[in-house]
Amino acid sequence: DAKTTQPPSMDCAEGRAANLPCNHSTISGNEYVYWYRQIHSQGPQYIIHGLKNNETNEMASLIITEDRKSSTLILPHATLRDTAVYYCIVWSPLTGGGNKLTFGTGTQLKVEL
Amino acid sequence: EAGVAQSPRYKIIEKRQSVAFWCNPISGHATLYWYQQILGQGPKLLIQFQNNGVVDDSQLPKDRFSAERLKGVDSTLKIQPAKLEDSAVYLCASSLGSSGPLIAQYFGPGTRLTVL
Repeated sequence: DAKTTQPPSMDCAEGRAANLPCNHSTISGNEYVYWYRQIHSQGPQYIIHGLKNNETNEMASLIITEDRKSSTLILPHATLRDTAVYYCIVWSPLTGGGNKLTFGTGTQLKVEL
Repeated sequence: EAGVAQSPRYKIIEKRQSVAFWCNPISGHATLYWYQQILGQGPKLLIQFQNNGVVDDSQLPKDRFSAERLKGVDSTLKIQPAKLEDSAVYLCASSLGSSGPLIAQYFGPGTRLTVL
C-alpha cells in the first residue's frame, strides 16, 4: 500500500478555510486518495475521494497535484464541529475484490473561536 | 436511513475471559468490516466479509479472535481468551459492495473494550 504522511496537528480559526495536506509520493496510477474524519468517540466518517482531478462535494474539496504525489483537503468555512482527526488514505484493491483502507495516525484539526 | 448499529457500546472484562460484539450493517450493504482501533492510532482492519464469505482476514489473530456473518447480514466478533493488549475500540463498517473505488465505508459508533 502507498504510504501517506500527514502533519500530526493543525489549528484553524472558525470561519476560515482549513487546508489539510497529505503526502503520498509512492502512489500507483490506479490508486485513489480517500479522506475520512473521526470526531471524538465516534466512528470514522467518509468525506471525499479522488483519482486525478480535483473533487468537490457538500463537505469539502480535494485538490490533487498533477504528479499525484500529494493532495490537500479543504474545508472552506471551518466550524467548531469540524474539530476531528482527519485521515488521508490511499485505497488499494485486494486480489479477488476488496476495499481495504489502511489508516495512518491522521491530522488532529482543532477549530477555535 | 439508519446507520451501522453496534452493541454493546462499552465492555469491561478480566483477562482470559471471553467477549462478543455485535454489528448490524446498513440495510442492503453487502460488505462488512471489523476494525480494531487502539488509543492514539488509526483503525486497523481485522476482517472483511462480502455477504457471508470472508474476503480478507489476514490481520485477524485467529488463535483468539473469530468472526462470523451468518445469512450475510448481522455479524459477531468474538475474543476468547482476551489479553490486556486487546483493550481497544472495535469498529464495524459496511459498504454497498467491495469492487471499485466508488464504495465508501460507513462506520458504527464502536465498542470500547477494556481488559483488566
